[in-house]
Formats: sequence, C-alpha cells, structure tokens
Amino acid sequence: DADVTQTPRNRITKTGKRIMLECSQTKGHDRMYWYRQDPGLGLRLIYYSFDVKDINKGEISDGYSVSRQAQAKFSLSLESAIPNQTALYFCATSGVTGGQPQHFGDGTRLSIL
Amino acid sequence: SQQGEEDPQALSIQEGENATMNCSYKTSINNLQWYRQNSGRGLVHLILIRSNEREKHSGRLRVTLDTSKKSSSLLITASRAADTASYFCATVSDQGAQKLVFGQGTRLTINP
Repeated sequence: DADVTQTPRNRITKTGKRIMLECSQTKGHDRMYWYRQDPGLGLRLIYYSFDVKDINKGEISDGYSVSRQAQAKFSLSLESAIPNQTALYFCATSGVTGGQPQHFGDGTRLSIL
Repeated sequence: SQQGEEDPQALSIQEGENATMNCSYKTSINNLQWYRQNSGRGLVHLILIRSNEREKHSGRLRVTLDTSKKSSSLLITASRAADTASYFCATVSDQGAQKLVFGQGTRLTINP
C-alpha cells in the first residue's frame, strides 16, 4: 500500500462547484503539504501544516482552503472552482527534523470546465 | 515565484551515456534536493545536499553544489531507459519551515 494516498486520482467538474481533495498518510509524519503543478512547470506550494493545530499559507493559497482532520489526514478544498485551477495536485509529508525529504502521493488530476 | 531555473529544459541521450542537469537559484539556501517524477506519478526524492557540502553521491547519482554561484548539478552515470523521467531541483531556505521551492524541471529521455 502507498504511504501517501490521494483521492480521487482524477476529477472533472464544472466552474463554481465545491471540490475536496483528500490525502492520507501512513508514514507517521507530522508535516503535510499541498502543491499544484501546471504543465511544464515545477510544483508550487498551496498550504502546509506542521500539526493538527498549525496550518500555514503557501505561495498560492488564494481560492483554496485546507483542513487537517488528524495527523494522518489533510484535505484541500476549492470553495468555488474556476478553470485556471485545472492542474495536477500533490500531497506530501515529511518528518520534523531539519533536512528531511518530502514523500509525495501520486497526485490528483483536476479538470474544471 | 519559482526559485530555481533548470537547464536544459529537455535532454535526450542514448542509453549508457551520462546525463547532466543544472539548477540555478536566487537566494541563500539551507539545503537543495533533487526529485524524479515519472509520467503520471508523484515525485520521488533522490538526494539532498546541505549548504555546507560540495558534492554528494548515491549510486549512479552525483550532485554538486556551488553556493558562490548559486548553482547545482545532477549527474546520472551510465543511463538506463528506466531513468526516463522529469527531474526537479528544489531549494530550502528556511530551516524551520523546510518549505521546498521547485524549479521547472528537466525532461530526460533515454533512448535504447
């Protein structure tokens, strides 16, 4: 089983709809992250969380919100989806000590029509 | 904005040859990491080099870091078809937050 699981893997929806992307992990990591990737580009940080009570905005948080329901679960919501939010979304986790690599899920491909 | 610029954006070589990818960044860093992304998959961590290190090896991978030039390179020796993927460098400037800032990646194709 994957250490970092994202659901759904693919989603097509319409402008204005509310969407939730979910991430769960079995690595026991405290830190979790949400990124988006646009074609031909690297990943950009949307939100990150150091524990259940610590949530922080990343580089591109406008139009997104998150919820850290438990140490193992971190969900990303688009309150009212718009077409330029069409992208590949990744969840990642890491340990707390300095210099830890991040461990990624396989992504959610989101298309907004 | 993205921290890193990667060069080249795409690289195509024959199996068995060495592949070199370069990454430049703008601000001082705590560490720099390289990741691989296979098509349709998430990123996989390859190697991490700290700001006080100059070179690091892991199997067929060799990473160098020149903080005076704000640049890093990833060398893959004796390439294999399975190395075909996109490769990203990512920098960490804030040791506490450990936020990764990614470059736009190099698309590597290994021809059999």
